[in-house]
Amino acid sequence: NAGVTQTPKFRVLKTGQSMTLLCAQDMNHEYMYWYRQDPGMGLRLIHYSVGEGTTAKGEVPDGYNVSRLKKQNFLLGLESAAPSQTSVYFCASSLLAGRADTQYFGPGTRLTVL
Amino acid sequence: DQQVKQNSPSLSVQEGRISILNCDYTNSMFDYFLWYKKYPAEGPTFLISISSIKDKNEDGRFTVFLNKSAKHLSLHIVPSQPGDSAVYFCAASAGGPMLTFGGGTRLMVKP
Repeated sequence: NAGVTQTPKFRVLKTGQSMTLLCAQDMNHEYMYWYRQDPGMGLRLIHYSVGEGTTAKGEVPDGYNVSRLKKQNFLLGLESAAPSQTSVYFCASSLLAGRADTQYFGPGTRLTVL
Repeated sequence: DQQVKQNSPSLSVQEGRISILNCDYTNSMFDYFLWYKKYPAEGPTFLISISSIKDKNEDGRFTVFLNKSAKHLSLHIVPSQPGDSAVYFCAASAGGPMLTFGGGTRLMVKP
C-alpha cells in the first residue's frame, strides 16, 4: 500500500497561472481532505469530500476548487494563483469522519507563487 | 482568531527527561482532541487522542491530559528520545469531518 500520495512535490508558479494538485489514496477511504500549512498557523482545511462526487468547503476555501470524480482521487485546483497561496499543501484521507477515525496524510506539496 | 493555540513554538529537552507540550482551546463545542507528529518533508501522523469524557489517555511513553474547565490539554512524553524530535500539532473536533489545528510546537530532544 502506498497510502496517500501527492503530485507534484514542488511547484513554482507565477501570479495568475493555474495548476492542479493531485491526491491519490489506495486505502478505499470515503473521506478526503485538502489542508494548507503556513508558519505558525498549523494546518487549515481548504475543502473536503465525504465520498465520490461530493465536495464541501472548509475553513479557507477562497481561491481554490476541488473535484472528486473517482473515490481514490481528490484534485485541488488554483485557477489564478496569488502570492498568498504560497504554502505547503497536504492531502489526507480517512475511512470514517472526524473523531471516529484517523486521518492519514500525504507527504505534502510545496507551492511557491511569485 | 485561532480556536486552538500552542503558545510555545519550540521546546528543547534532554534525552531521558520529560517533554510537556501544551495546547489551549477556546471553543466549548470541541469534545475530541488529537495530537499529530510531523517530521520534515513528511505529512503529519496521528499520535494519540482523548475524548472529553476522559481526563487522561496513555499509550506507551505518551500521555495526554485534558483539563476541560481550563480548556487546556497537554502531551507528556516520558522518557524523551532523540527520535521524538519533530513538530507536534494539537487538533480539536466538534463533530463531523473538520479538525481545527494549533500552530505546532517544535520539540528538540538532545542526546
